[in-house]
Amino acid sequence: DGGITQSPKYLFRKEGQNVTLSCEQNLNHDAMYWYRQDPGQGLRLIYYSQIVNDFQKGDIAEGYSVSREKKESFPLTVTSAQKNPTAFYLCATKTEFNQPQHFGDGTRLSIL
Amino acid sequence: AQSVAQPEDQVKVAEGNPLTVKCTYSVSGNPYLFWYVQYPNRGLQFLLKYITGDNLVKGSYGFEAEFNKSQTSFHLKKPSALVSDSALYFCAVRDAGNTPLVFGKGTRLSVIA
Repeated sequence: DGGITQSPKYLFRKEGQNVTLSCEQNLNHDAMYWYRQDPGQGLRLIYYSQIVNDFQKGDIAEGYSVSREKKESFPLTVTSAQKNPTAFYLCATKTEFNQPQHFGDGTRLSIL
Repeated sequence: AQSVAQPEDQVKVAEGNPLTVKCTYSVSGNPYLFWYVQYPNRGLQFLLKYITGDNLVKGSYGFEAEFNKSQTSFHLKKPSALVSDSALYFCAVRDAGNTPLVFGKGTRLSVIA
């Protein structure tokens, strides 16, 4: 989606390693979200932030951490505590109340 | 808590035929309903939304959806399917409290030439 950049596109994690997924937006949207997508399971919410310096846990926050120090950026760290991190990770943003969420093109994380 | 069900994992239709992808929802109060499409290794693209007003909503690429409050459904439709419509389709819902979207598990649409 135009204006939302997720990097890298592919990422490999070694056992016991933390990795950070980047999400940057230039849409000036207040809210940002991280979802995890697994085959046949749809999208599950990890964390979300509706304003800078504030964020809330989603349905599957265990083993993940986030920060929201700038409006444009919402990085997701997959910690070694996440035992099954292999998935497609999607970042999304939203502006006003009635508007849809916009999605980046995702990062695919695999285990070495 | 809100939830979404997409009862069909896969839908197959012939090119030129009408298509329907089903979605039912559960939410407290008035629902905010959305349809998205996903192509391989890409993010989700917004198709259409229902917030209030006319029960028939028209969206991108010729898609439309009908909101049925009594059946708590929001089925996605297109009068004439194209091969290029083949993709993964997601229905999503949230309540009026600006909570994050809750997504269904997705329906894979295959349009056969």
